[in-house]
Amino acid sequence: DTGVSQDPRHKITKRGQNVTFRCDPISEHNRLYWYRQTLGQGPEFLTYFQNEAQLEKSRLLSDRFSAERPKGSFSTLEIQRTEQGDSAMYLCASSYGGELFFGEGSRLTVL
Amino acid sequence: GIQVEQSPPDLILQEGANSTLRCNFSDSVNNLQWFHQNPWGQLINLFYIPSGTKQNGRLSATTVATERYSLLYISSSQTTDSGVYFCAVDKGGGADGLTFGKGTHLIIQP
Repeated sequence: DTGVSQDPRHKITKRGQNVTFRCDPISEHNRLYWYRQTLGQGPEFLTYFQNEAQLEKSRLLSDRFSAERPKGSFSTLEIQRTEQGDSAMYLCASSYGGELFFGEGSRLTVL
Repeated sequence: GIQVEQSPPDLILQEGANSTLRCNFSDSVNNLQWFHQNPWGQLINLFYIPSGTKQNGRLSATTVATERYSLLYISSSQTTDSGVYFCAVDKGGGADGLTFGKGTHLIIQP
C-alpha cells in the first residue's frame, strides 16, 4: 500500500471553469476527508465520508462544491464555476477510526 | 468548535539546537496528531498522541489531556527539520475530522 493518492497534483484553470480532483484512500480505510489549505493557514475541514455516505459538510463547502465517494472507494471533489478565491491546496485524508493520513494534495490556481 | 493555539508562530534556530513547540486546545479530545508539512505541501505524520508520551528518534511528544496541551520536542535540530509543524485535534466521533492550529514555522540555519 502506497498511502493516500491524489490527482492531479497541480491544476491551473481560468475563472468560471469546472475542475475535479480525485482521491484514492488507503485501501482498508473506511473514512475519507477533504480539507482546503490556503497560504499561511492550517488545513480547514470541508467534508467527511464514512464508506460511501457523506456524513458531514462544512459551511465552507458552498453549493459550487460537490463531493462523492461511489462504492466507498475513491472520492472526487468537483468545483463548478471556479473563482479566484478557490485557489488553494486541496488535501485528502483517510483513516480507520483513529489516525488520519494525508495525501500529497492537489494545488489549484484559478486565473 | 474546538480552538487550537500553537506557539511560537515562528522559530529560528541554529543547527544542533533543541526546541519545544506547544499546542493548547480548548476542549477534551479523543485524537491529537502532530504533522510536519514539507516544502511540497504534504503533511507528514509525526505522532498520534491523544495522551501520554512517545518518542521517535530525535523527536518526542507529550500530551497532557487533563490540562489540554501537547508539546513537541525536537533535539539536535537539522536543516531538514525546517518547515511548518501543525498540531491537530479531534473531539471524537470522526465527523468533523481534525481541527488544525495555525502552525509553527521552524527555520533551522546551518
